[in-house]
Amino acid sequence: DADVTQTPRNRITKTGKRIMLECSQTKGHDRMYWYRQDPGLGLRLIYYSFDVKDINKGEISDGYSVSRQAQAKFSLSLESAIPNQTALYFCATSDLRGGGYEQFFGPGTRLTVL
Amino acid sequence: GQQVMQIPQYQHVQEGEDFTTYCNSSTTLSNIQWYKQRPGGHPVFLIQLVKSGEVKKQKRLTFQFGEAKKNSSLHITATQTTDVGTYFCAGPGSGGSNYKLTFGKGTLLTVNP
Repeated sequence: DADVTQTPRNRITKTGKRIMLECSQTKGHDRMYWYRQDPGLGLRLIYYSFDVKDINKGEISDGYSVSRQAQAKFSLSLESAIPNQTALYFCATSDLRGGGYEQFFGPGTRLTVL
Repeated sequence: GQQVMQIPQYQHVQEGEDFTTYCNSSTTLSNIQWYKQRPGGHPVFLIQLVKSGEVKKQKRLTFQFGEAKKNSSLHITATQTTDVGTYFCAGPGSGGSNYKLTFGKGTLLTVNP
């Protein structure tokens, strides 16, 4: 969805490096999420945030941290990247006000850790 | 934690054939969502089902939610090459929260023209 943007779109880094993936949205949604996608494993939730003061761990948060700098921005950091963090990362948003729970995904960041 | 199992993992069909993917949960779901991800793309919301036994249609796509709200299916009639992609079901996350999702592993559909 063009209203959810992610930077960078592709990144190659080395083991041990610190990496930050950024997500911005213009949808005005309160809720933001970070997922990783691996072939055959579907989408797994890393962290989620229901508002600027609320950060929650997902099912696979080890090795990751997040920052919700503003309602519109949610960043994912890998403090010391390792090869098994090579994956496709998606940011998503959702809005309580709509009454449904659908999530809107960004275009994804393909991360390779060598 | 809550798991949503999805089968099959892969399905290859000839254009014009039908396709069905199934989603099952061991616990009752308050709702279920379906998403489609085109190759190289991102997941896009298709539909949400909430009511027991609910059936919804979108052109050639038919979505069903089981009577016990533990299973769901997506059926595509007369597939087209534009249907290629991975179809995911997603249920409420752990603790039953509707604001985070647990995704199935997806069914990759390929269509031979």
